[in-house]
Amino acid sequence: KNQVEQSPQSLIILEGKNCTLQCNYTVSPFSNLRWYKQDTGRGPVSLTIMTFSENTKSNGRYTATLDADTKQSSLHITASQLSDSASYICVVSLNYGGSQGNLIFGKGTKLSVKP
Amino acid sequence: DTEVTQTPKHLVMGMTNKKSLKCEQHMGHRAMYWYKQKAKKPPELMFVYSYEKLSINESVPSRFSPECPNSSLLNLHLHALQPEDSALYLCASSQDGGWGRPQHFGDGTRLSIL
Repeated sequence: KNQVEQSPQSLIILEGKNCTLQCNYTVSPFSNLRWYKQDTGRGPVSLTIMTFSENTKSNGRYTATLDADTKQSSLHITASQLSDSASYICVVSLNYGGSQGNLIFGKGTKLSVKP
Repeated sequence: DTEVTQTPKHLVMGMTNKKSLKCEQHMGHRAMYWYKQKAKKPPELMFVYSYEKLSINESVPSRFSPECPNSSLLNLHLHALQPEDSALYLCASSQDGGWGRPQHFGDGTRLSIL
């Protein structure tokens, strides 16, 4: 069964600290893995998108890693800011030759950054 | 501000009403999507339009009727909805339906069914 599991479910950290969110997937055939940030009451915003040949990709203070062998990904947030408080969703795309309908969403990690 | 615009932002309707949700993008994208998102859950795909043609319908009840008048607009017509249909409805677009393309989401319409 195609699944995307994220951990932790929720996380509270102090402003300025670093944190790492995890994503494990059992999706085949794999196409790419995406991390989205969703603020409360807003739509998801894409942070990174990685194919199986990419090990790491950065977007400002966000760095995503991908290990296609172990089917694990992580999102590392450096020097957290209050504005980082949001849900972070891991999404894996199936490779069925072109359809974007084959996206498997994780349930997200809710991050709260406290002053 | 998001490049995908959804209106209205909030909608309250009765179970016998007919209403429409609207989505607009001017990025030249040729694939557009409707998602339904319940509280504390990930988005669930409802429909995919590729080059103004419906390409995916994820077994959505007929009380939801999508329409794509042109490549920039996507509507979702609602009729005889149930209380369990209350949710955040997200529209997204991508350059085309290719699997590598990132999807750009709107901020959604928060729908409440009385």
